[in-house]
Amino acid sequence: AQRVTQPEKLLSVFKGAPVELKCNYSYSGSPELFWYVQYSRQRLQLLLRHISRESIKGFTADLNKGETSFHLKKPFAQEEDSAMYYCALSGTGGYNKLIFGAGTRLAVHP
Amino acid sequence: DAGITQSPRYKITETGRQVTLMCHQTWSHSYMFWYRQDLGHGLRLIYYSAAADITDKGEVPDGYVVSRSKTENFPLTLESATRSQTSVYFCASSESMGARYNEQFFGPGTRLTVL
Repeated sequence: AQRVTQPEKLLSVFKGAPVELKCNYSYSGSPELFWYVQYSRQRLQLLLRHISRESIKGFTADLNKGETSFHLKKPFAQEEDSAMYYCALSGTGGYNKLIFGAGTRLAVHP
Repeated sequence: DAGITQSPRYKITETGRQVTLMCHQTWSHSYMFWYRQDLGHGLRLIYYSAAADITDKGEVPDGYVVSRSKTENFPLTLESATRSQTSVYFCASSESMGARYNEQFFGPGTRLTVL
């Protein structure tokens, strides 16, 4: 079955601390993985996708097929990073469907 | 981003009533989606559409009906609202090809309360 697991509901860190939001997935084929972010009172928006292999707002995520993980990392958290983060998976076969994890709320304290 | 809009933004209704949530996008995206967002569940797909007049069920379709007579509109109807349908509903759209293929663009959401 296709599934995305985000084990942490809440991750609380201090400004300047490293951040790692965990995401594990279950998929039998070759998935495409995404991280979406929802800042307070804003729309859900794409943060990054694994095929782009880019860093957005200091965040990076590497797809580890062996561990079926796509953890989101940032070396130094900022207060403006506080938001709800969703890991999502899209499989092959068309229709662009996304399967979302339950989300992790990141709280960065001053 | 005004490309995808939802109405109403807030709705309170009673059990058993029919409710329609509207979604409109101006990008001519082929794909459109309806999700519900609940604590502990993240976003769950209700229905999706690959083009006008083509719709299909997602993960949690029971109690919902959709239609897509025009590419730009994708209304979601709760035929007989239940308290378990109290949620925040998000509409999204995406392109069928190109560099941003598979990236979904979300509306602002509709907060629905069923009493």
